[in-house]
Amino acid sequence: NAGVTQTPKFRVLKTGQSMTLLCAQDMNHEYMYWYRQDPGMGLRLIHYSVGEGTTAKGEVPDGYNVSRLKKQNFLLGLESAAPSQTSVYFCASSNLAILLYNEQFFGPGTRLTVL
Amino acid sequence: DAKTTQPNSMESNEEEPVHLPCNHSTISGTDYIHWYRQLPSQGPEYVIHGLTSNVNNRMASLAIAEDRKSSTLILHRATLRDAAVYYCILSGYGGSQGNLIFGKGTKLSVKP
Repeated sequence: NAGVTQTPKFRVLKTGQSMTLLCAQDMNHEYMYWYRQDPGMGLRLIHYSVGEGTTAKGEVPDGYNVSRLKKQNFLLGLESAAPSQTSVYFCASSNLAILLYNEQFFGPGTRLTVL
Repeated sequence: DAKTTQPNSMESNEEEPVHLPCNHSTISGTDYIHWYRQLPSQGPEYVIHGLTSNVNNRMASLAIAEDRKSSTLILHRATLRDAAVYYCILSGYGGSQGNLIFGKGTKLSVKP
C-alpha cells in the first residue's frame, strides 16, 4: 500500500494564480483532511470530508475550496493564490473504525510558495 | 476541544529514556489523549493514544495521571531517529469529525 500520497511535492506560484493539490489514499478510508503548517507552528485544519461527495470547513478555510468526487481522492484548490498561503500542506485520512481514537495517516506534504 | 501545554523543547542522550510531559487540566471525561510526532520534513505520524489506563505499544508508552490532568509519553531508549516534534492532542470520543488540533508541540533533540 502506498498509503497517502500528495501531488505535487513542491510548487511556486505567482500571486493571483490558481492551482489544485491532489491527495490520494489507497486504504479505503472514509475521512480525509487538509491541513496547513506554517513555519514553527502546528498544523491547522483547512477543510475535511466525511465521505464521498461531502466536505466541510475547518479552522482556516478562507481562500480554499475542496472536492471529494471519489472516495480515494481529496482535492484542495486555490482560486487566486496570495503570499499568505505560502505554507506546507498536509493531507490525512482516517476510517470510521479508527476514528474513535483519531488515528490519522498523513501524506508527505506539498511545499507551496506564493510570490 | 481542551487545551494542552507542552515544553517547547527537550534534549536527550541516545539510548537513554525520554519522558515528554503534557498538561491538560481541562480534559473532559470523554477526551482521548493522543500523541503524534513529526520527523523533519515529513507529515505527522501516530504514536499512541489512551483514555485512562497506561498504554504500551512498540513505539512508546503512555503514562496517564490518575486525575487525567497530565500525561507523559515515554520513549524507553531514544535513538537519533526519534528526534522530532512531539504533539500531545486531546479529542473527544468520535467527536469533532476526527479533527485533530495541533499545538506547537515539543521539539526533541537526541544527542549521540
